[in-house]
Amino acid sequence: KAGVTQTPRYLIKTRGQQVTLSCSPISGHRSVSWYQQTPGQGLQFLFEYFSETQRNKGNFPGRFSGRQFSNSRSEMNVSTLELGDSALYLCASSYRRTQTYEQYFGPGTRLTVT
Amino acid sequence: AQSVTQPDIHITVSEGASLELRCNYSYGATPYLFWYVQSPGQGLQLLLKYFSGDTLVQGIKGFEAEFKRSQSSFNLRKPSVHWSDAAEYFCAVGLNTGNQFYFGTGTSLTVIP
Repeated sequence: KAGVTQTPRYLIKTRGQQVTLSCSPISGHRSVSWYQQTPGQGLQFLFEYFSETQRNKGNFPGRFSGRQFSNSRSEMNVSTLELGDSALYLCASSYRRTQTYEQYFGPGTRLTVT
Repeated sequence: AQSVTQPDIHITVSEGASLELRCNYSYGATPYLFWYVQSPGQGLQLLLKYFSGDTLVQGIKGFEAEFKRSQSSFNLRKPSVHWSDAAEYFCAVGLNTGNQFYFGTGTSLTVIP
């Protein structure tokens, strides 16, 4: 079974631009969560999607948004990029919305904002 | 509010030595507890988890962790470290609904020959 895939793996953008990151969950998984990982703040929860609906959201500004498609693939978008948005963005997929089911993480997208 | 503390930012151990990584959490009820490992350029891999029952849980790669309610701790242990264990280790707390984790800041492990 293929794991969680994230595209692109690396991305360089300029301040003020917007970016879209993609996450393809493991087949059959309907829950996708996103995390931002930075050296200063560590791993912080962005949002969780299940059955195309955002179920939970972390404490991030409205510039961060996401969506989930009917095939469970998810995208996150960051508008008006700031230098501080440079981070590794991880997504995780799970079969259900309960943590008795293991969450599997993708390798991440490394975003650099210049 | 939930929080997770990993007091050791970086630990260096010799290959073959034992290892203990500390994790303390703050949560009103008994949370779901996890340890993840992250190798350079990789995502997170689940080592082990605790939901309920036996407070000593076994995981992959020879790791184990013990839940101590009185100390709000969930420390990770390994009796004999291998060079391939060098990585970043994260303790995480999960709630019993939804898939949101609260992560600690991580402990970087260096293994010297």
